[in-house]
Amino acid sequence: ILNVEQSPQSLHVQEGDSTNFTCSFPSSNFYALHWYRWETAKSPEALFVMTLNGDEKKKGRISATLNTKEGYSYLYIKGSQPEDSATYLCARNAGNMLTFGGGTRLMVKP
Amino acid sequence: NAGVTQTPKFQVLKTGQSMTLQCAQDMNHEYMSWYRQDPGMGLRLIHYSVGAGITDQGEVPNGYNVSRSTTEDFPLRLLSAAPSQTSVYFCASSLVTGTGYYEQYFGPGTRLTVT
Repeated sequence: ILNVEQSPQSLHVQEGDSTNFTCSFPSSNFYALHWYRWETAKSPEALFVMTLNGDEKKKGRISATLNTKEGYSYLYIKGSQPEDSATYLCARNAGNMLTFGGGTRLMVKP
Repeated sequence: NAGVTQTPKFQVLKTGQSMTLQCAQDMNHEYMSWYRQDPGMGLRLIHYSVGAGITDQGEVPNGYNVSRSTTEDFPLRLLSAAPSQTSVYFCASSLVTGTGYYEQYFGPGTRLTVT
């Protein structure tokens, strides 16, 4: 994998559904993997920064896992709420540069 | 503590004009960066700096210059604006360690249109 790739590009779920998205990245020269939440007309806000293979982070209903050997991270949202509607970005930190994926746009219907 | 501030919020330029987008942070962060956000392309790194006096190119540096004379400020200069530079520009900052970076703090963005 040459770039940071996120899937799916967009996702519609019903309130209460649990969901997950994928971030795939080159596993070489890896420093850290970042997740950001980006609401429309606002700035991206950090959710997690993960550095170690096997890392798991949790913040409320949102959690993330990291596999640096195979180059992927999963973001999970348990019991989605309308306020979770946003674009979720992941970024790979290698050396001095952050490379962002294209994002997963989540829309939660009440 | 204002965090990361950017000015202006909106700007319209004509092709060939030059301008400077301002970015400042008051968190004493070593690392600062500029991104552009285009539909369907996520955030792309233009230039970054790991400290005062040190700058380097990101993924899409052509047409932009930066300087870092102080820890607080990291202006982005468009030398001769082109319609392809129409975008939303975000400045970000973070602490930096030898093993990677802390989370980035983003400014509110500058929406630039080049006609």
